[in-house]
Amino acid sequence: SAVISQKPSRDICQRGTSLTIQCQVDSQVTMMFWYRQQPGQSLTLIATANQGSEATYESGFVIDKFPISRPNLTFSTLTVSNMSPEDSSIYLCSAGTHSGEQYFGPGTRLTVT
Amino acid sequence: QKEVEQNSGPLSVPEGAIASLNCTYSDRGSQSFFWYRQYSGKSPELIMSIYSNGDKEDGRFTAQLNKASQYVSLLIRDSQPSDSATYLCAVKGGGGFKTIFGAGTRLFVKA
Repeated sequence: SAVISQKPSRDICQRGTSLTIQCQVDSQVTMMFWYRQQPGQSLTLIATANQGSEATYESGFVIDKFPISRPNLTFSTLTVSNMSPEDSSIYLCSAGTHSGEQYFGPGTRLTVT
Repeated sequence: QKEVEQNSGPLSVPEGAIASLNCTYSDRGSQSFFWYRQYSGKSPELIMSIYSNGDKEDGRFTAQLNKASQYVSLLIRDSQPSDSATYLCAVKGGGGFKTIFGAGTRLFVKA
């Protein structure tokens, strides 16, 4: 298993601004993912963070809005850019193994006013 | 579109009973299957993985997989109020690294 930390744990931001969320894993992992989860809803995959190259985005998510970095095998960041109230959500980072198991961070609760 | 379907519930069982949670998936090439538990306000936690047909037991939890029927289930024996949570079924295809999550089933265990 892996232990994942995220920061900030929560933030309240004004529309039009950007927030960068950091994700740190306690061991080297092959895969890192970013998800969004609305309260009471399931997980929506935003992108797969690739070490040393551009992230792989899911349909409906674009790099200009959600730039992702992964400079090494234990760290990744997700930026939510030019925020609107519709971006209010919980953002989750996960670390994945080749067999498909994923271990999630505690999440970042974002409110955009 | 690859899908993972779960009954959203809520599923309500009395304390000490067996809770049965079910999941179906659309991609016949899927190779890996997982159950996650998510308490309200918390992130998902992996509780079971299963990769081959049959049953896999871990304590009070049993995962069952039937690839021919494209069906995965999770049984929780001697259910406790602390088992009350949302249970997410997740399926990983044979190629690539992406995992598809179901919408989750809410379980309530009544004391």
